Amino acid sequence: EDQVTQSPEALRLQEGESSSLNCSYTVSGLRGLFWYRQDPGKGPEFLFTLYSAGEEKEKERLKATLTKKESFLHITAPKPEDSATYLCAVQAGSNYQLIWGAGTKLIIKP
Amino acid sequence: NAGVTQTPKFQVLKTGQSMTLQCAQDMNHEYMSWYRQDPGMGLRLIHYSVGAGITDQGEVPNGYNVSRSTTEDFPLRLLSAAPSQTSVYFCASSYLQGDTDTQYFGPGTRLTVL
Repeated sequence: EDQVTQSPEALRLQEGESSSLNCSYTVSGLRGLFWYRQDPGKGPEFLFTLYSAGEEKEKERLKATLTKKESFLHITAPKPEDSATYLCAVQAGSNYQLIWGAGTKLIIKP
Repeated sequence: NAGVTQTPKFQVLKTGQSMTLQCAQDMNHEYMSWYRQDPGMGLRLIHYSVGAGITDQGEVPNGYNVSRSTTEDFPLRLLSAAPSQTSVYFCASSYLQGDTDTQYFGPGTRLTVL
């Protein structure tokens, strides 16, 4: 069965303290892995798409990487405004549907 | 472009009542979908559509109906609301192109069923 698991469920960091969020997946025929950011009371906001193992993408303090089994979202020197829930989803096989993880809630303390 | 819009933002229903959640997009996207989001769980797909006149069930379709008469609109109908349908509902849309697509989300509708 296709599955996406995110860890940790919650992560509390001090401002400037770098860390990584994990998204592990078991799917047949990965077509793409997506990272989204979700602020409280809002819809998910697209961040990155990764298509193949070894691929990396960056945006400001965020960097996403992909292996054959998992993806990492690295956050470098985070600021309080980076606080949000980060969602991971995969698209596999011939389906357009996305399979979602439960998310990681990130809290950055000033 | 307004992107994906949803109405209402909040709704309270009594058990057994029916209602329609509205979703519209102005990006000419072929693919539209409805998700529900519950605490501690990932987004779960309710129904989706790959074009006007074409709809299909997702992971959790029971108790919900959809139709797609135009490219822009994709309403979600709750036939007889139940407390288990208390959730936050998101509509999303995307192109159908290449090997992958990026889904863009609306702001959500927070539904409470008493």
